[in-house]
Amino acid sequence: QSALTQPASVSGSPGQSITLSCTGTSSDIGFYNYVSWYQQHPGKAPKLMIYDVSNRPSGVSNRFSGSKSGNTASLTISGLQSEDDGDYYCSSYTRSGTWVFGGGTKLTVL
Amino acid sequence: EVQLLESGGGLIQPGGSLRLSCAASGVTFSAHAMTWVRQAPGKGLEWVSLISGSGISIYYADSVRGRFTISRDNSKNTVDLHMNNLRAEDTAMYYCAMLGNGPNDYWGQGTLVTVSS
Repeated sequence: QSALTQPASVSGSPGQSITLSCTGTSSDIGFYNYVSWYQQHPGKAPKLMIYDVSNRPSGVSNRFSGSKSGNTASLTISGLQSEDDGDYYCSSYTRSGTWVFGGGTKLTVL
Repeated sequence: EVQLLESGGGLIQPGGSLRLSCAASGVTFSAHAMTWVRQAPGKGLEWVSLISGSGISIYYADSVRGRFTISRDNSKNTVDLHMNNLRAEDTAMYYCAMLGNGPNDYWGQGTLVTVSS
């Protein structure tokens, strides 16, 4: 039950594009297309931004996109805006029938 | 509108027990697996436990197996997390969540558990 691996921090300027990575194993990200990405602001519950690798829930900006290659999933945010500042977590369903989260990436919009 | 409302958190001494409860509304409760996720202060999300819609399949994180018990009552639309032999490292915000339903991913606002003497 090892956590997925995410970079601790990423920063970018308004208008830029950034990509957050999330690395797992062949028993989670590499096995299923059940990767989700969450945004979390201080004191708030996580908010779903991407589900099933690359799908956006209704109401989430199309500046957010997801992809996967092998055991690594990615979240790309284009046209960075100040409100994108926050913590981002990836998660994946696993072959054990459980869920696993990444350690989180703190995104700072400069 | 789907709502998940956790309750039962509080301050508890090491070695003590606590029961968290999550009440769901606005959803066909028995059709969905329910999950508990926790977040220690300043730390990331940690999956804790999952129970299937029927209650037959149950899973635990290694960090809580043998100390925590998850259960559900589909007649009351509630899911509980019984926590025994609590440790300082169990201090966290505990979220009740419905995961893995495509865009229909729901989280409660959380209930804070503090384990301290």
